[in-house]
Amino acid sequence: EIVLTQSPGTLSLSPGERATLSCRASQSVSKDYLAWYHQKPGQPPRLLIYDASNRATGIPDRFSGSGSGTDFSLTISRLEPEDFAVYYCQQYADPPNTFGQGTTLEI
Amino acid sequence: EVQLLESGGTLVQPGGSLRLSCVASGITFTDYYMSWVRQAPGKGLEWVANINKDGSQRYYVDSVKGRFTISRDNAKNSLFLQMNTLRAEDTALYYCTAGAGWLIDYWGQGTLVSVSS
Repeated sequence: EIVLTQSPGTLSLSPGERATLSCRASQSVSKDYLAWYHQKPGQPPRLLIYDASNRATGIPDRFSGSGSGTDFSLTISRLEPEDFAVYYCQQYADPPNTFGQGTTLEI
Repeated sequence: EVQLLESGGTLVQPGGSLRLSCVASGITFTDYYMSWVRQAPGKGLEWVANINKDGSQRYYVDSVKGRFTISRDNAKNSLFLQMNTLRAEDTALYYCTAGAGWLIDYWGQGTLVSVSS
């Protein structure tokens, strides 16, 4: 089983600032099949990034993903108020398709 | 618009059984891989099980192997999760999800399962 470790657990920033979230895998993620989601209170998660660096449909270009192998990151270039949420990474290369424990992005 | 509508969640006693259902609309169901993901109250996401387009491949997280069974009825655009020998730690909001591959593109709103005496 691939274990995904996200850091930091909580990130406190202000609108307009840059956010960088990390996701580290316990073993290499095949084909960089790594996704990022965010989840707001009372809502299901929403896909942001797939295949480590591709933005999903309708996702603003302030969101970008990078990395390969075991180290991945999500960058939000200029935080908007609606970006404050919980962020999860997930690998979908090998079952079980594990999630990281989440990073809370707070104001 | 893609809609995934879950049902079947309720309060059940430890050791009991439950069957969750999910009906999909707005997608060609037979083109999609389907999954169940759960979220315990106040906790993170946990992938539970998934199934490929024709049902020939199914995978489970270790904690539910032998107790849960994922299945689909392509004629009815429906996904199911049969849950047996339920435990308190299975208490969660269960999301039905869909993707063009193993990636999750779409999520339902979830159905709540509570296991308690």
